[in-house]
Formats: sequence, structure tokens, C-alpha cells
Amino acid sequence: QSVLTQPPSVSAAPGQKVTISCSGTSFNIGNGYVSWYQQLPGAAPKLLIYENIKRPSGIPDRFSGSKSGTSATLDITGLQTGDEADYYCGTWDSSLTALIFGGGTKLAVL
Amino acid sequence: QVQLQESGPGLVKPSETLSLTCAVSGYSISSDYYWDWMRQPPGKGLEWIGSIKYGGRTYYNPSLKSRVTISLDTSNNNFSVRLSSVTAADTAVYYCTRHKGELNWFDPWGQGTLVTVSS
Repeated sequence: QSVLTQPPSVSAAPGQKVTISCSGTSFNIGNGYVSWYQQLPGAAPKLLIYENIKRPSGIPDRFSGSKSGTSATLDITGLQTGDEADYYCGTWDSSLTALIFGGGTKLAVL
Repeated sequence: QVQLQESGPGLVKPSETLSLTCAVSGYSISSDYYWDWMRQPPGKGLEWIGSIKYGGRTYYNPSLKSRVTISLDTSNNNFSVRLSSVTAADTAVYYCTRHKGELNWFDPWGQGTLVTVSS
């Protein structure tokens, strides 16, 4: 059971938009930065969003992040089949004194 | 371009110690950043194992703290993890990565290495 709660799966059609939520508490999301990672099948995780809303160089603006209170959200617009992957949110938890991740969300582009 | 590459045995016996090394290229590990180990059991999510700061201070996941040691080898620009008394529950893909202080985002990641605990 992860401290950060993500939906196990989401799906949408190509070209559509999907939203992945990450719910936490005042000890983690409510008190720090959230990052998001994309993990394609058989690959290592890749940084997608950092410091809640920023995109690393090379990440298309179809990917966007936001944070409000103790929740964070990853939006993906203009879905492509190549976006099919597992997505993880992460942050620091001051109560656990550990870096933590959500359980991951599997995105299907139908 | 910073690159990280994990190496070590792919099979470890129960009760023994797992040892992995992460070779870093394109950046000096003694310059800055925290250097991290993560793991991912087959079909499951990510777990942070611990970090070592460029000055040598370590930070461990409380759930693993009693069994984990992370160290730096600045002369060879790599860092290592040792996990003692392993069981089948420690079977996972192990990744090395880095993060910058309280910003807590990890980039880049090594490709990962599968370690199986089995007799």
C-alpha cells in the first residue's frame, strides 16, 4: 500500500486527454515538490515533470503537471500510442523521512 | 551527458549480501548531487533504497536501514549499495540515479539490473 495514491489504470483514445491523479498528505505532497516519471515497458523510469510543473528539456508540452494542496495531477493531451506506459508520482515524506512514490498508473491508449 | 550504469551479480543466495555498483560518466560524483539507489520488484512499483551525498553523508529508507550500506568511490567515480541478509522479497530490478537536495527529482536513471534471490 503506497503512501501516495494513484489510480491503477487509466485509458483514453488517441488524440484525447487523460488525467492521472496523485493524492497524499500534508507530510508529503502538501509540504514539498512532486515529480512524475514515465516508465515504458521494459525500460527504466524517465523524468517527466519536476518541481510540480516543470518539464525537462525534450519533454513535449503535451505533458503538464500541477499541484493543489495535498494532491498533484499529470495531464497528457493529444494522446499517442507511444504514451502507453506506467506513470509514477514521487516526493519526500517528512513523517516517514523517506522519498516515496505512488503505486503507479498504467496508461492504455485504446 | 550524464550516464549511469549498474553492475553486479544477477543471482544472490538467501541470507547473503547483495552488492551492486553504479558507474557514473559525464559528471564527477564528488561535485554535487545526492546519488541514489532504487528498486522495483517484478510487476510492482518503485521503492527508494537510499542516498549518499557528495560529501559522504548517507540517508536510508527506514524500512531497509538496518540492512543497507551505500558508499562512494570518488577515485573511480562510482557508488555502491550493499544489502545484507537478503530474502526472495529483495528480488527486484535495481536502479541507480541522482537527485539534487530538497528538490527531490531523479534524473537520469541507469538502465537497471535484475537481481534474483534464490538458492
